[in-house]
Amino acid sequence: SAVISQKPSRDICQRGTSLTIQCQVDSQVTMMFWYRQQPGQSLTLIATANQGSEATYESGFVIDKFPISRPNLTFSTLTVSNMSPEDSSIYLCSASDDRFGYTFGSGTRLTVV
Amino acid sequence: GENVEQHPSTLSVQEGDSAVIKCTYSDSASNYFPWYKQELGKGPQLIIDIRSNVGEKKDQRIAVTLNKTAKHFSLHITETQPEDSAVYFCAASPSSARQLTFGSGTQLTVLP
Repeated sequence: SAVISQKPSRDICQRGTSLTIQCQVDSQVTMMFWYRQQPGQSLTLIATANQGSEATYESGFVIDKFPISRPNLTFSTLTVSNMSPEDSSIYLCSASDDRFGYTFGSGTRLTVV
Repeated sequence: GENVEQHPSTLSVQEGDSAVIKCTYSDSASNYFPWYKQELGKGPQLIIDIRSNVGEKKDQRIAVTLNKTAKHFSLHITETQPEDSAVYFCAASPSSARQLTFGSGTQLTVLP
């Protein structure tokens, strides 16, 4: 299976600031996604990171708040902009490919104070 | 869109017993059904997956069964061990290249 490195693993941020989360996959993958997981809850898809084009966002998530980049087939970033305490959550990068299925990074635990 | 329901929300078993977690899905176009184990403070770990052209798949103590007609699939863990204690999530998707819809999760506790 692919190995996904995600950083930072955790951060405490001031409200009104932005944080960029990086996701690196050890092999080229077809698809990359970003999910959010509230404590004790299931995973919710934020967006599909499209290589070389704008990300595809799910209902309730917008580009101005969660800009995403995917410059190549192994790397993506998610920025959480103008943060508020409601953005405190775990953010997870995932990658999928027919060779190894659908795997996740270890997540970024974000606390906004 | 797809809706995945997962039961039970909590499950306690004695070490050595079997554990079964069940999921149902709504979208007949779903063809890919992975299961994840998530330990505290970690990301979900893919433990097994099944595609719609297969009715059952087994990997050592873990097996998954799929009934496409009834739109449900199940995770079976045999000879449970304390290290199996974690939250388990089922998911469904039209393919492994599309976004997943997750169930609500099952907290499995294996009592020594």
